[in-house]
Amino acid sequence: DGGITQSPKYLFRKEGQNVTLSCEQNLNHDAMYWYRQDPGQGLRLIYYSQIVNDFQKGDIAEGYSVSREKKESFPLTVTSAQKNPTAFYLCASSSNTGGTYEQYFGPGTRLTVT
Amino acid sequence: RKEVEQDPGPFNVPEGATVAFNCTYSNSASQSFFWYRQDCRKEPKLLMSVYSSGNEDGRFTAQLNRASQYISLLIRDSKLSDSATYLCVPFSGGYQKVTFGTGTKLQVIP
Repeated sequence: DGGITQSPKYLFRKEGQNVTLSCEQNLNHDAMYWYRQDPGQGLRLIYYSQIVNDFQKGDIAEGYSVSREKKESFPLTVTSAQKNPTAFYLCASSSNTGGTYEQYFGPGTRLTVT
Repeated sequence: RKEVEQDPGPFNVPEGATVAFNCTYSNSASQSFFWYRQDCRKEPKLLMSVYSSGNEDGRFTAQLNRASQYISLLIRDSKLSDSATYLCVPFSGGYQKVTFGTGTKLQVIP
């Protein structure tokens, strides 16, 4: 089955701890993205990567870090510097197959920091 | 003007009704548009892509008005399962970042 997987579905951490969220895709997509969604809010872009070993900051990158060592994987680390880390985190990927660039999303990780 | 604007709703409509909502965008370079639906506490799922003046897929029709810079989504014969939030995404090409609208919430009532 082709798709995007995120793990875990729910994650609980204590304040001050770094936490890494996993995102893997087997769609052979070039680009991958991380978004954050707060209750009743839209999606906000954290980081995105167009190619392996390269990534760009999105609109709210402060307090987050990413790596893209493999095409299939784009993990997101939420550091202790992120002031309000509790949110729903969504990973997406896209490809330009056929000239289209639609983004496809994983099921998300709900992070709660107390 | 915001990059993408959507009426948050909620739009409460009876089953079988036709409902339409608009999405206005500010970037005139936007070439394509995507509509996603997002169920409560779930990920967005691609509903429709629009690359020209519009697109139709079953009960769903998207129409683009480039002069006024908005795109509409029309849903005919609404089903209870259509209840969701509909997100609009203008796209101007490449792997650059996109801006998702905050969405319009639709509630179909029995």
